[in-house]
Amino acid sequence: DQQVKQNSPSLSVQEGRISILNCDYTNSMFDYFLWYKKYPAEGPTFLISISSIKDKNEDGRFTVFLNKSAKHLSLHIVPSQPGDSAVYFCAASALGTGNQFYFGTGTSLTVIP
Amino acid sequence: DTGVSQDPRHKITKRGQNVTFRCDPISEHNRLYWYRQTLGQGPEFLTYFQNEAQLEKSRLLSDRFSAERPKGSFSTLEIQRTEQGDSAMYLCASSLGLAGGPRDTQYFGPGTRLTVL
Repeated sequence: DQQVKQNSPSLSVQEGRISILNCDYTNSMFDYFLWYKKYPAEGPTFLISISSIKDKNEDGRFTVFLNKSAKHLSLHIVPSQPGDSAVYFCAASALGTGNQFYFGTGTSLTVIP
Repeated sequence: DTGVSQDPRHKITKRGQNVTFRCDPISEHNRLYWYRQTLGQGPEFLTYFQNEAQLEKSRLLSDRFSAERPKGSFSTLEIQRTEQGDSAMYLCASSLGLAGGPRDTQYFGPGTRLTVL
């Protein structure tokens, strides 16, 4: 039962343009969301998080948007850089379920110079 | 480097053998997590510790799996009688995790890649 879904396995973007990575979830109890970036042969690296009390969180070139009614979140990277090429995972957790995070299957981003 | 470390990075074993992995979390972190990641999937939660107490276990953690965190510092994950289906990347993460506090960001180690022949 995949509670967090990333329906685009891959995305290619030109350097300097915006990258938009999407994530959908099914569990309405999820209230804390994170994005991780993963390079080959490394563990996931935390990027940015958002709580359900907010609909936007920004950190430099990275912005996460949360649409609770649609159970959808997105990560915007502006401007995209070649070093952003990696696999991006979204993760979610629900209050009262301990610290269990549910991860999506990932989107592989390629930024073309 | 004060990040999460895991040892070994790679392990090849024959079916039926036992294997043990070690994770050293970030020093001031109270929570420690184990995840498994297979090809094309995101990390799947296995278990987590608050200090030395194992507070949650996934149904993915069969009886052949056991995890310990004896002094609330490093942790070990042991798989007994390995099967080919155990082949995966085993990831460890840690977080600050103040007791009774909210969920917080988990920081991952590089993982141990297990191949069962």
